[in-house]
Amino acid sequence: AQTVTQSQPEMSVQEAETVTLSCTYDTSESDYYLFWYKQPPSRQMILVIRQEAYKQQNATENRFSVNFQKAAKSFSLKISDSQLGDAAMYFCAYADNNDMRFGAGTRLTVKP
Amino acid sequence: DTGVSQDPRHKITKRGQNVTFRCDPISEHNRLYWYRQTLGQGPEFLTYFQNEAQLEKSRLLSDRFSAERPKGSFSTLEIQRTEQGDSAMYLCASSYRGRTEAFFGQGTRLTVV
Repeated sequence: AQTVTQSQPEMSVQEAETVTLSCTYDTSESDYYLFWYKQPPSRQMILVIRQEAYKQQNATENRFSVNFQKAAKSFSLKISDSQLGDAAMYFCAYADNNDMRFGAGTRLTVKP
Repeated sequence: DTGVSQDPRHKITKRGQNVTFRCDPISEHNRLYWYRQTLGQGPEFLTYFQNEAQLEKSRLLSDRFSAERPKGSFSTLEIQRTEQGDSAMYLCASSYRGRTEAFFGQGTRLTVV
């Protein structure tokens, strides 16, 4: 089965600054999707950003962008101009036609 | 459509009892996933359905766990003879195709006492 690794259990960022969360994955598939999900405390998991593996251009959603390195199987999330509301658990996820797997998560703290 | 719905939101049960959870996916979604999440951890894959067919089941899922999706609509997850180690949040998610984003329900928190 495919695996997803998030090597940073916790990260901290000052409000208005930029932070990057790391994710690596392992797969033998060539066609797949990658996602970052956000899970605020005691709240529902919501999608932050998605990337199709066949696209070379890195996805961007407002203050959120990714650095997708297909050869290295790396998929990092950059949060610019961090806000207090960005504080949450962030999960990297991989999906292909067979299943969808998640990393262990990174807890992001935003300091005012 | 209001999204993925899970019922109940919370369940407290005594060890040894059976419990059943329900998930109603987004109506046009043909994929449905079940995950288990413990505090501070990522969602752990349990099983998924493509329409009514259960295509994969995690080896972590013991024989006490069973899931169904009759008619390819809602799904149920049953845990028989619950153990304290079953205490967790059980998440359901659905997607339109296997490679599009999954939408999550709010989960069912199970506490086994």
